[in-house]
Amino acid sequence: QKEVEQDPGPLSVPEGAIVSLNCTYSNSAFQYFMWYRQYSRKGPELLMYTYSSGNKEDGRFTAQVDKSSKYISLFIRDSQPSDSATYLCAFVYSGSARQLTFGSGTQLTVLP
Amino acid sequence: GAGVSQSPRYKVAKRGQDVALRCDPISGHVSLFWYQQALGQGPEFLTYFQNEAQLDKSGLPSDRFFAERPEGSVSTLKIQRTQQEDSAVYLCASSLGAGADTQYFGPGTRLTVL
Repeated sequence: QKEVEQDPGPLSVPEGAIVSLNCTYSNSAFQYFMWYRQYSRKGPELLMYTYSSGNKEDGRFTAQVDKSSKYISLFIRDSQPSDSATYLCAFVYSGSARQLTFGSGTQLTVLP
Repeated sequence: GAGVSQSPRYKVAKRGQDVALRCDPISGHVSLFWYQQALGQGPEFLTYFQNEAQLDKSGLPSDRFFAERPEGSVSTLKIQRTQQEDSAVYLCASSLGAGADTQYFGPGTRLTVL
């Protein structure tokens, strides 16, 4: 079983739709939970960062973490064509390790 | 200020050649990471530096892969005797401190081994 499972998509939605992206994980040692956005031929950029269960909102983006179910989500409200990208969930272990463990990414296209 | 830069952006190598990939982190950033991203996959960790010390190289796939950061700033990832399975995008990231700080990624070097 992979440590992180993420639906690769592709996901195509009309402009203005609410988008839901999800990851499940198996490692209880994951302490920090992140979402990165990666445009084509670019490096990933951090969107959301949290370390506790619950919701965290930033503009049109909401990150949700459920540690008991080992499940994280990213919601995008009022989606825009500029949101078209690959979205990667990422995790950091507790302890001294600092490297990111990524999901495989979900490719999102928002149609104008 | 400038972000993380990587060079070259694209590299084509014949199987068996050695390659060197360069990363210039954000100035003053203590931590530097290398990741490998295969087509259609998420990045996978290769190695981690804190200043000039390589603290974790557990993700390097074979002894053909070698990384260094001799003065605690610029880093080089070297791949010896390249194989077709080494074809991927190699991403470098840096973060300000030694903790779980935000990692800032460069644009990557796309390596194609023929």
